[in-house]
Amino acid sequence: NAGVTQTPKFQVLKTGQSMTLQCAQDMNHEYMSWYRQDPGMGLRLIHYSVGAGITDQGEVPNGYNVSRSTTEDFPLRLLSAAPSQTSVYFCASSLRGALYGYTFGSGTRLTVV
Amino acid sequence: GDSVTQMEGPVTLSEEAFLTINCTYTATGYPSLFWYVQYPGEGLQLLLKATKADDKGSNKGFEATYRKETTSFHLEKGSVQVSDSAVYFCASSLSSGSARQLTFGSGTQLTVLP
Repeated sequence: NAGVTQTPKFQVLKTGQSMTLQCAQDMNHEYMSWYRQDPGMGLRLIHYSVGAGITDQGEVPNGYNVSRSTTEDFPLRLLSAAPSQTSVYFCASSLRGALYGYTFGSGTRLTVV
Repeated sequence: GDSVTQMEGPVTLSEEAFLTINCTYTATGYPSLFWYVQYPGEGLQLLLKATKADDKGSNKGFEATYRKETTSFHLEKGSVQVSDSAVYFCASSLSSGSARQLTFGSGTQLTVLP
């Protein structure tokens, strides 16, 4: 039972480069979310999805895009990386939202130089 | 907007000591409340939850009671172990519509010494 799988685990980008962080879950969860974790700030919601074809912005969406073409996958795209996007990124999924508990991936540590 | 405030860390305790990590929340409605734990190098795991006032969540010896009058959800454990060393996050969530997402506190690093 894989749960939530994130790739890559580590990534270094140059300013202005683009990339996609991958997230896949095999639990048939409807809800998927992307968070970023910064020291002293907890986790902040970037984008989320409540089902295939449905996405919405969270607290800090600028500079990121998402799409949800299948139930299993929820990639996060950085359009033009900036040093302010250096962070640890977590993908999470839930059957139907917070009351059912979120399952988190192990994270992607991104450094933008 | 909704927010969650946790006590500042880091917290260092000796094994078998009593643990309290304070958490307070602000919300426009009546949120559900959660504690998540993050062990080194891993993602967050749900530790316990409470969905209405006076509910007590418990798991693995940890407890927290939803106090509406003080808008608090403090985490407690009577006797901590070295294996409890981790970062603990308090979180809230409203239960309707798009608000089924989590709002996190800043996290509290706990280190338990043998």
